[in-house]
Amino acid sequence: NAGVTQTPKFQVLKTGQSMTLQCAQDMNHEYMSWYRQDPGMGLRLIHYSVGAGITDQGEVPNGYNVSRSTTEDFPLRLLSAAPSQTSVYFCASSWGSSYNEQFFGPGTRLTVL
Amino acid sequence: AQSVAQPEDQVNVAEGNPLTVKCTYSVSGNPYLFWYVQYPNRGLQFLLKYITGDNLVKGSYGFEAEFNKSQTSFHLKKPSALVSDSALYFCAVRDPFNSENTPLVFGKGTRLSVIA
Repeated sequence: NAGVTQTPKFQVLKTGQSMTLQCAQDMNHEYMSWYRQDPGMGLRLIHYSVGAGITDQGEVPNGYNVSRSTTEDFPLRLLSAAPSQTSVYFCASSWGSSYNEQFFGPGTRLTVL
Repeated sequence: AQSVAQPEDQVNVAEGNPLTVKCTYSVSGNPYLFWYVQYPNRGLQFLLKYITGDNLVKGSYGFEAEFNKSQTSFHLKKPSALVSDSALYFCAVRDPFNSENTPLVFGKGTRLSVIA
């Protein structure tokens, strides 16, 4: 049981490039979400999904796209990277009910030059 | 809208002393409250949660938290701090009143330093 996995661990992009951050979980969790962590800002929700085929926007969705074609995977796409997207990105998953705790991946550290 | 505040960016405590990390929340209904810990270069780990019932909840690594509805607080406590407790701590809240799918909202985090 690998839990929540994220790839890559580190990435450097140039402004305007696109990329996909991968997230997978093997716990059959319905709920998955993406956060970004910036110094002094805590964790801010980008997008989340309550099940395959269902996604919704969080607090800071601009510049990011998501899709959820399977229960296991929840990739985050940066369409045209900007320096403001330099951050650490965390994926999380949980059982569907709102009283359940989330399990977090190890994070992806992204730098946009 | 739901929100959570952690009024202290940094808490310093001597090893062996009790520690408290503060958290206050704002929701329209009865909250679901969580504490997470983040060690350097790691993802967040769940410590404990309050859903309903006893106001004092116990969690991992000897931590506990007390839910106080009148003060809208959920402070994290430990009777005797260890150097290994040094980390970043996040409080989070979810308000299930409007929707079962309401996302979890995190505070900005409090950095705990335990000094030997």
